[in-house]
Amino acid sequence: DAKTTQPTSMDCAEGRAANLPCNHSTISGNEYVYWYRQIHSQGPQYIIHGLKNNETNEMASLIITEDRKSSTLILPHATLRDTAVYYCIVRVPYNTDKLIFGTGTRLQVFP
Amino acid sequence: GAVVSQHPSRVICKSGTSVKIECRSLDFQATTMFWYRQFPKQSLMLMATSNEGSKATYEQGVEKDKFLINHASLTLSTLTVTSAHPEDSSFYICSALRGRDQPQHFGDGTRLSIL
Repeated sequence: DAKTTQPTSMDCAEGRAANLPCNHSTISGNEYVYWYRQIHSQGPQYIIHGLKNNETNEMASLIITEDRKSSTLILPHATLRDTAVYYCIVRVPYNTDKLIFGTGTRLQVFP
Repeated sequence: GAVVSQHPSRVICKSGTSVKIECRSLDFQATTMFWYRQFPKQSLMLMATSNEGSKATYEQGVEKDKFLINHASLTLSTLTVTSAHPEDSSFYICSALRGRDQPQHFGDGTRLSIL
């Protein structure tokens, strides 16, 4: 599975959009981009995933560049409860079901 | 949404004790379950992959005799830490996969403290 690179930490004001970048320049054509987050002392929570097209659900939007070498997770209106470590992971479903977690981005939402 | 329950949430026991952690998928049948370990201020590390009715596949460096995994049904997997020692103290997290094109869903973890 391709490796990902994320900033170590980011801050965001409450109510503003949080844009979390992820670089996956070695991604292959059949690898999906998954985003999870982990709030302190809890298990990771699935947020969203995509292959090529931009995706949106009730939690977030995922913007994938045309060359698929990077993506951005957008939390449109961050709240204090969105403070967590966000993980960007690429994997191939049907090939391996494993998720290999990197170090993620620690997002701090402040009042 | 998919719910994965993990029990117990916290356990404290003496060195040499064996500890069993349960992972249940409450509203779906899980084709595969996974066990992770997380040390403070570190990321999750995959320990093993568990398929119902077959032996678990362990990641390199994980002792299979130390961490016994049983996947007896499509909704239950257990991790037993045998003869636990203080260095086994960690946050253990399971996840379950509904189908191969589905995301993994995680339990809330078990904090294991060995005195």
